[in-house]
Amino acid sequence: TQLLEQSPQFLSIQEGENLTVYCNSSSVFSSLQWYRQEPGEGPVLLVTVVTGGEVKKLKRLTFQFGDARKDSSLHITAAQPGDTGLYLCAGARAGNKLTFGGGTRVLVKP
Amino acid sequence: SAVISQKPSRDICQRGTSLTIQCQVDSQVTMMFWYRQQPGQSLTLIATANQGSEATYESGFVIDKFPISRPNLTFSTLTVSNMSPEDSSIYLCSVDLRAVRPPEQFFGPGTRLTVL
Repeated sequence: TQLLEQSPQFLSIQEGENLTVYCNSSSVFSSLQWYRQEPGEGPVLLVTVVTGGEVKKLKRLTFQFGDARKDSSLHITAAQPGDTGLYLCAGARAGNKLTFGGGTRVLVKP
Repeated sequence: SAVISQKPSRDICQRGTSLTIQCQVDSQVTMMFWYRQQPGQSLTLIATANQGSEATYESGFVIDKFPISRPNLTFSTLTVSNMSPEDSSIYLCSVDLRAVRPPEQFFGPGTRLTVL
């Protein structure tokens, strides 16, 4: 069974600070996705990383895929209250199915 | 992207009853999935809803408990049968717009179920 572990489980920071969320596995994934979920809504896809070592930037968010395609990180620069939410990583497996990590709940205080 | 709606958005049900959740997509999609998100937790895949054939269930989920229909390429239902308080969760449907890898899944807003 392919498992994804996210850390930390919860992160509370002040507006303007930086944060990093980690997603690790002992298995190789063909691709990995990051989602953000807000209360009362479904997860929203932020990015997909496919190539080992790949780095993608989305405004203040930077996503990295490990060289061995077993781990990934999400870094937010100068966090804002609007970044508050549940961040989920998900690895792709056969049949285009996704295995989700446990999630990281981020709270950015003004 | 795709616009996905779910009905009902939330419900409170009595133990032993069943609830059917509907998922409607604004375009034809090949792949639809149903997930469960227990309180404060991440998403767990229940099954893949296959159009015109029986759903494919993940380990730990069975058809008798979670029957799924997929009559066409834009609609699916998930029934939670003989409910118990442990079934209290958010149930989400998702669609994958790509037939090839990498997957690109879009989620509905979810159905929040509370079982008393």
